[in-house]
Amino acid sequence: KAGVTQTPRYLIKTRGQQVTLSCSPISGHRSVSWYQQTPGQGLQFLFEYFSETQRNKGNFPGRFSGRQFSNSRSEMNVSTLELGDSALYLCASSLAGVTTEAFFGQGTRLTVV
Amino acid sequence: AQTVTQSQPEMSVQEAETVTLSCTYDTSENNYYLFWYKQPPSRQMILVIRQEAYKQQNATENRFSVNFQKAAKSFSLKISDSQLGDTAMYFCAFMKPFTGNQFYFGTGTSLTVIP
Repeated sequence: KAGVTQTPRYLIKTRGQQVTLSCSPISGHRSVSWYQQTPGQGLQFLFEYFSETQRNKGNFPGRFSGRQFSNSRSEMNVSTLELGDSALYLCASSLAGVTTEAFFGQGTRLTVV
Repeated sequence: AQTVTQSQPEMSVQEAETVTLSCTYDTSENNYYLFWYKQPPSRQMILVIRQEAYKQQNATENRFSVNFQKAAKSFSLKISDSQLGDTAMYFCAFMKPFTGNQFYFGTGTSLTVIP
C-alpha cells in the first residue's frame, strides 16, 4: 500500500511570506504528527492531529499551525516566515496515535531566503 | 521533561563488522517506549527497532539488537554484519504511551559503512 506522501518535496519562500505543506497519511491511518528537523535543533515535535482535532502540541510559536481534514490528510501552515524556519518538515502517520507504529514521509525541504 | 542523548556524532565500521551506537535518556516515567530510527539520504525515517520499557528482554530484529539497561537509562544499538546499505543517520527516540506519536529524538549518529 502507498506510504506517507508529503508535498511538495522542495520549497523556496521569501522571508515574511506564508507557506502550506501537505501530508497524506497511509490509508486508514487517522493520526498525523509533524516534526521540524534542523541541523541546530535536531528533530522537534510540532503537533499531532487525530480525527480533525489537535491533540498534542510542541513548543513552537503561534506562526506554526495545522489542520486535518475528514480524509485524514493534514496541512501545516507557517505564517510570516523567518530565515530560521528553513528546515526539513516531516510528518508521520499511525492508525490512532496510541500505538508505537508510526510511518514517516520523505519530508518537505523548506528554504526561506 | 524527557531528553535523549547520543554522544557519538559520527562513526564508521568496516563492512561485515559489528558496531554499537550509544544512547542515554532521562525520564521520570516508568512506562515508555524506545526506538532506533534510520534516516538514509532519501530523508525518510525508517524504524529499525523498538523496545517497551516494561520488557526486560532486549529486542532483536535480524542483524539489529539493543542493549536496554533501564536502571542506567541506556539504550544502545548493535549492528552485526554491517552492510553498505546501513550507511545512514541513526536516531534514538523516546516516547510516552498515548501521546500521539510524540517522539523525543536524540541528535543522531552518522554511520558510514566502509567497503
